[in-house]
This record gives sequence, C-alpha cells and structure tokens, in this order.
Amino acid sequence: DTEVTQTPKHLVMGMTNKKSLKCEQHMGHRAMYWYKQKAKKPPELMFVYSYEKLSINESVPSRFSPECPNSSLLNLHLHALQPEDSALYLCASRDHWTQYTDTQYFGPGTRLTVL
Amino acid sequence: AQKVTQAQTEISVVEKEDVTLDCVYETRDTTYYLFWYKQPPSGELVFLIRRNSFDEQNEISGRYSWNFQKSTSSFNFTITASQVVDSAVYFCALSEGGGFQKLVFGTGTRLLVSP
Repeated sequence: DTEVTQTPKHLVMGMTNKKSLKCEQHMGHRAMYWYKQKAKKPPELMFVYSYEKLSINESVPSRFSPECPNSSLLNLHLHALQPEDSALYLCASRDHWTQYTDTQYFGPGTRLTVL
Repeated sequence: AQKVTQAQTEISVVEKEDVTLDCVYETRDTTYYLFWYKQPPSGELVFLIRRNSFDEQNEISGRYSWNFQKSTSSFNFTITASQVVDSAVYFCALSEGGGFQKLVFGTGTRLLVSP
C-alpha cells in the first residue's frame, strides 16, 4: 500500500484567514515532504521532515508553517496568505532507509485558492 | 547545480501510436537518481520508475519502456501503443546523492492521446 492522503481536497481562504492542510501516511515512512505546484509548472520543494524533525526549509515565507506531530502526520499551517500563494500543495513520503531504492510517493494534493 | 530539461512542452498523438518523451539532465555528482512521474488531471503525482546512476540497464514494464544513457545524459520514456488513459503531464526528475532526496523536476511534457 503506497497511499498518502491529504485533506482537504480544495480550500478557499481569505488573506486574513488561518487554515491548515493535513497529510497522512501509514506506510511507516520516516521522511515527509511539502511541495508547491503552480499551474502549468513543476512541483517545487518547500519543506522536508526527517524522523519528525525539520531538515530542509527552502526559504519559504513564514506565513507557511509546517508541523510534524508524529511520524504519520504532516501539517502545513497557513496564515496571512497572498493571492499568489494559490496553488496545488502536494505532500509526499519516503522510507528514508536507503536512497538506493526508496522513492517518494505523493498524495492527491490540496488545491488552495486565496482570495 | 542540477538541472532537468524536458524540451517537449506538449505532444499530441492518436491512440495506438508510439510516443517518446525526452529527458536530459545535468549534474556534477557521480551518484544520482532519476525518476519519472505521471500527473493526470486529478493532480496526484504517480511514480513510474526510478533509475540509479550506476544502473544503466533499460527497463520495460508493459507498454512503458525507459532508455537510460549516461553518455548523453538522457533518460527517455517510450509509451508503445498509446491509449487515451495515458493522457497526462509527465515529469522527469533528478535527485543527487545526499540523504534527503531533493527532487528537481523538469518542466513536464503534456501528452494528449486522442481516440
């Protein structure tokens, strides 16, 4: 089973709202990722968590705040977003045992619209 | 720095035609990993294949085949007897050595298969 789930599927929020995106996996993977994908563009890495610790932050603005409460769950807290933050937000997970064989598996994404 | 180039922005074929999607990569690492992902209109990135730099063996999986050539830094993907369900955006991605598997994606090739 290589399932990564994300909720909600769609989210519309105003610039003053606070919302959260949720990602869950039950494959025992120890690395989890957030990507942002604008329309007709490739995904861009935002954050990497390894063993529940933030390992990589690709200079993402502080209005995006990641959280990894446990090894199965990854959240992305959103606050004071701008319309240009509207995008598809993808979560991925990976075994992290060895990079010779393991692969990132992606969730279906959350389509975010900021008004 | 690493880079992935997918020069074909969009390809249109008729069902049952064969089609090849090109991928050219640049990296200074001697150890690296290459991937292909499929993104249907629903948005989820579906893993298709990974190749390690030390394994140049080509691979066939049903109607899909991949040709990895280090001499030309290419990792091309061929779909034989294309079907309408193959319509999607296909991304080639590269990850260099290091523990976190930071994926750098090409710009993607949109494949349209018409009946």
